[in-house]
Amino acid sequence: DSGVTQTPKHLITATGQRVTLRCSPRSGDLSVYWYQQSLDQGLQFLIQYYNGEERAKGNILERFSAQQFPDLHSELNLSSLELGDSALYFCASSFRDRGRTGELFFGEGSRLTVL
Amino acid sequence: AQKITQTQPGMFVQEKEAVTLDCTYDTSDPSYGLFWYKQPSSGEMIFLIYQGSYDQQNATEGRYSLNFQKARKSANLVISASQLGDSAMYFCAMREGGGDSSYKLIFGSGTRLLVRP
Repeated sequence: DSGVTQTPKHLITATGQRVTLRCSPRSGDLSVYWYQQSLDQGLQFLIQYYNGEERAKGNILERFSAQQFPDLHSELNLSSLELGDSALYFCASSFRDRGRTGELFFGEGSRLTVL
Repeated sequence: AQKITQTQPGMFVQEKEAVTLDCTYDTSDPSYGLFWYKQPSSGEMIFLIYQGSYDQQNATEGRYSLNFQKARKSANLVISASQLGDSAMYFCAMREGGGDSSYKLIFGSGTRLLVRP
């Protein structure tokens, strides 16, 4: 158990809909990262938040948005969903001490299926 | 440009034998970190091993070791005494810099390892 909690584990929805994925980082971790894993794109970095502020942005679509709340949990909002958005969405958090290796601890992922 | 390259989409290994999974990387940053993660069929991402660009010795963690060849920009994962439970997808990843609190990792496309009994 990595200590990172993601909900829901599975989600099935229709095209055009909007969903919200939730992530609680490990206790004490200030950074939250979102990744998308699809069959044809591999693991793609979407966005990072550090202590409530956006810190790094990757290949995140404009239809997607995220935020990190004061209690450090994070939400990834996916709107106007398309079939191609079907993927496994991972949240990860990193150890707050920059002296460590900085490995990311991943949640179990939220599997989104868009029909 | 591909920053992390894993050229082996799939590999087989006999149980109890050693196997090497290849990873090459590309960066101009003198400070970077290299990681290997395991993703079993259940889907979770499990951290295996880390190598820092300034580390003098190759990293080892139990049956996992990282063959770090800085001049060749390669960071191959060696799994000794393979077990059936090692069957999984393996990802190589790189972190550049790390300053300003960003530890985002860039992942390779992965290698699927199947251990034969």
